[in-house]
Order: sequence, then C-alpha cells, then structure tokens
Amino acid sequence: GDSVTQMEGPVTLSEEAFLTINCTYTATGYPSLFWYVQYPGEGLQLLLKATKADDKGSNKGFEATYRKETTSFHLEKGSVQVSDSAVYFCALSEGFQKLVFGTGTRLLVSP
Amino acid sequence: DTAVSQTPKYLVTQMGNDKSIKCEQNLGHDTMYWYKQDSKKFLKIMFSYNNKELIINETVPNRFSPKSPDKAHLNLHINSLELGDSAVYFCASSQETGSSPLHFGNGTRLTVT
Repeated sequence: GDSVTQMEGPVTLSEEAFLTINCTYTATGYPSLFWYVQYPGEGLQLLLKATKADDKGSNKGFEATYRKETTSFHLEKGSVQVSDSAVYFCALSEGFQKLVFGTGTRLLVSP
Repeated sequence: DTAVSQTPKYLVTQMGNDKSIKCEQNLGHDTMYWYKQDSKKFLKIMFSYNNKELIINETVPNRFSPKSPDKAHLNLHINSLELGDSAVYFCASSQETGSSPLHFGNGTRLTVT
C-alpha cells in the first residue's frame, strides 16, 4: 500500500539556520503531496502542497518540490525562527481523500 | 469563527465505560474524518464520511461507531473503552476533490485508566 517515510527527529537548529526535512513516498499512481504542521496543543494545519511532478509548493518561507524520479518531497526553509518549532508531517493522497501520513518530525529551534 | 470544533478537549475515563466525542464544521465541506494520533505522534485514519455516508472504514474495532446526523457533524462513540484507546482523536473536514487540504480540529485527548 501507499506509504510515507520521514526522517526521524528531533531536528535541533539555531535560529536562522537552514532546514531540510526529508520525505520519500511509495505510491502506485500519481498522488498529491502535502506538508502539514502541528503546533503544541493544536490540530494539524496545511503548510503547502503539490499535485503533480515538478510542482513546487511554498508558504511562509517553506518550500518543497514534487520529485517523481526520486519519489521525494523534501521540506526546506532558508532561515528558521523559534516560532517554527513544531511537528511536521509529510502526507500523500491518492484515493478519495485518504491521506496517508508520515510519522512526523519534531523541529526545535533555539534562539 | 472556529472552522472545525470538537468537544471535549480532554476526556478521562475508566476502562469499560462508553464515551462520545462530538465534531462540527462550519466550512460547508462535504467530507469529514476521524483520525487517531498515538503517543508517538503517528496519525492514522479511522473513518471518512461524505455527505453523511460512510466512505472509509479502516481496520477499527467495532467498539468505535461514527455517526453523522448531517454533513456538518460527525460524532464518534466508543463502547467498552480499553487502555489502548488512549490517544488524541482528531476530527477533520475537506472538500470532495482529491487534492483539497484537510482542516483539522484541535483534538480530543482521551485517557483511559
């Protein structure tokens, strides 16, 4: 079945450092890909998405490019802030709105 | 202006009890979901309803019964609670299209003692 693999956390960075969180997927067709973010005590929020190969999703300084050849959707940000500390989930949707999530990666940013 | 709201936020109960979690969305979405997040933050879909009809029913014990009285509400009833049911339960909603994002509620933390 479909699956998503994310790098294990926590990822610990200093403010203004460059962020990469790796995500690879396995799917039989052509899924849509998503990054969601979960702040403490809250539900998940959509951060960005891409619906076809070579699409780049971007939001709030975060970017991810849908790479079909490497089945990857890595999340990047050039300069992280303390307020970016959260858990980040990579996900895919192939069927009727059945999102499959990765295990989540906790990001901790220190001042 | 809460888009997806679920109640209660915290639920502490004893093994063997029956409890319900309520969810409502005011986004006009056609599809609603229940997800379970375990202690390691792993998220797994439990159920999905589209226009009050069950669409997705993952491998969930039949002690869990979702009910959708209308397309804005999806409640989750759990019978004979077990220790392993302790988790955070998230309600979500979306439009019908495959690439539409999910809008999540803030979760209900269920603790079974």
